[in-house]
Amino acid sequence: AQSVSQHNHHVILSEAASLELGCNYSYGGTVNLFWYVQYPGQHLQLLLKYFSGDPLVKGIKGFEAEFIKSKFSFNLRKPSVQWSDTAEYFCAARMDSSYKLIFGSGTRLLVRP
Amino acid sequence: EADIYQTPRYLVIGTGKKITLECSQTMGHDKMYWYQQDPGMELHLIHYSYGVNSTEKGDLSSESTVSRIRTEHFPLTLESARPSHTSQYLCASSGGRAPFLTEAFFGQGTRLTVV
Repeated sequence: AQSVSQHNHHVILSEAASLELGCNYSYGGTVNLFWYVQYPGQHLQLLLKYFSGDPLVKGIKGFEAEFIKSKFSFNLRKPSVQWSDTAEYFCAARMDSSYKLIFGSGTRLLVRP
Repeated sequence: EADIYQTPRYLVIGTGKKITLECSQTMGHDKMYWYQQDPGMELHLIHYSYGVNSTEKGDLSSESTVSRIRTEHFPLTLESARPSHTSQYLCASSGGRAPFLTEAFFGQGTRLTVV
């Protein structure tokens, strides 16, 4: 079955630390990949997306993600987190031009000031 | 800014009541979705629609029903609410045609509590 896995359920970092959140998907065909963020009390917002082309994509607020096809991965990174990055992060995939978006279980990030 | 609206934001209702969660979008998107999300858990797709008069069940079985009579409107109905329906319900929409599909835009969600 098509699925998206996020292995880090809770991450706690201090400000200025580097962040990497893992995301793997299980599908061998064409995929569109997304990272969404949900700040406390707010709706899901798109951080970045990969459709094709350069596998290193840059998003808002200094986030970036790298698509590694051989590893079926799309990890999210930020070199220096801020307290305001405290939120829940969801990886999602749309496989083979399907209209359905499949989400991972989310990673709750807490950044200590 | 995404133009997709859900009402109500919060709803507390008694067991057995019929409820309808509203979702509207002003982006002209033909595809709309309902997800269910329990606290700290992943989003599960429960319904989706490719366009007017098109509705499909999602990956997670749900006792709710949906309708799509107008492009911009995708309401979700529970005929008889039960405590097991307590959850957050998220509506989303997307546009475009394969392979140029847009990302999904989400509403604020409706947090439903059935007592």
